[in-house]
Amino acid sequence: GAVVSQHPSRVICKSGTSVKIECRSLDFQATTMFWYRQFPKQSLMLMATSNEGSKATYEQGVEKDKFLINHASLTLSTLTVTSAHPEDSSFYICSARLDRGIKNIQYFGAGTRLSVL
Amino acid sequence: AQSVTQLDSQVPVFEEAPVELRCNYSSSVSVYLFWYVQYPNQGLQLLLKYLSGSTLVKGINGFEAEFNKSQTSFHLRKPSVHISDTAEYFCAVSYGGSQGNLIFGKGTKLSVKP
Repeated sequence: GAVVSQHPSRVICKSGTSVKIECRSLDFQATTMFWYRQFPKQSLMLMATSNEGSKATYEQGVEKDKFLINHASLTLSTLTVTSAHPEDSSFYICSARLDRGIKNIQYFGAGTRLSVL
Repeated sequence: AQSVTQLDSQVPVFEEAPVELRCNYSSSVSVYLFWYVQYPNQGLQLLLKYLSGSTLVKGINGFEAEFNKSQTSFHLRKPSVHISDTAEYFCAVSYGGSQGNLIFGKGTKLSVKP
């Protein structure tokens, strides 16, 4: 149980295009999902907290107009990197929190490797 | 500010040797503690967690960790490592009363050599 699917696993795009990444909780409901960014050989940095039916909460320094988050259902959150540039190239990981039970446990997707040319 | 410190960025060890990966966190009244493992180009997999109760917790793949409140530590151990344990290991803390946000350490790269 508690499986999180993230798609795509890898994407290569041209500078200036937009890229959408999906995060789905497959066998549970997740009112809250999280989006992280990981630079090479570094830890995960929380970008934003995604809440179903409401606006995402962004961490300080994260451009909300650049990284659009939509959490339209209890099992799906999307991150859209708008007008991507090479500096946006990174590994993006989502996680989902169980609605029931201990709320401090997060289950992670497999990540998306974004390469902007 | 709340923080998590993983003292070793890299730990090389020979196969079948014991290993300890260290983790310390800034003090708080109540914490939930986690160890995650990340294999190359993959997401994070939960190894084990401490929520309450026994301070010695056992996880998957033969790993265990001990919560030490007085030393604010949560070190990860395995008595005998395998080549397949080579990966990045992250310690994470969630503070009681929070919305569940995790604070991650910088990670420890475990390299198991034959």
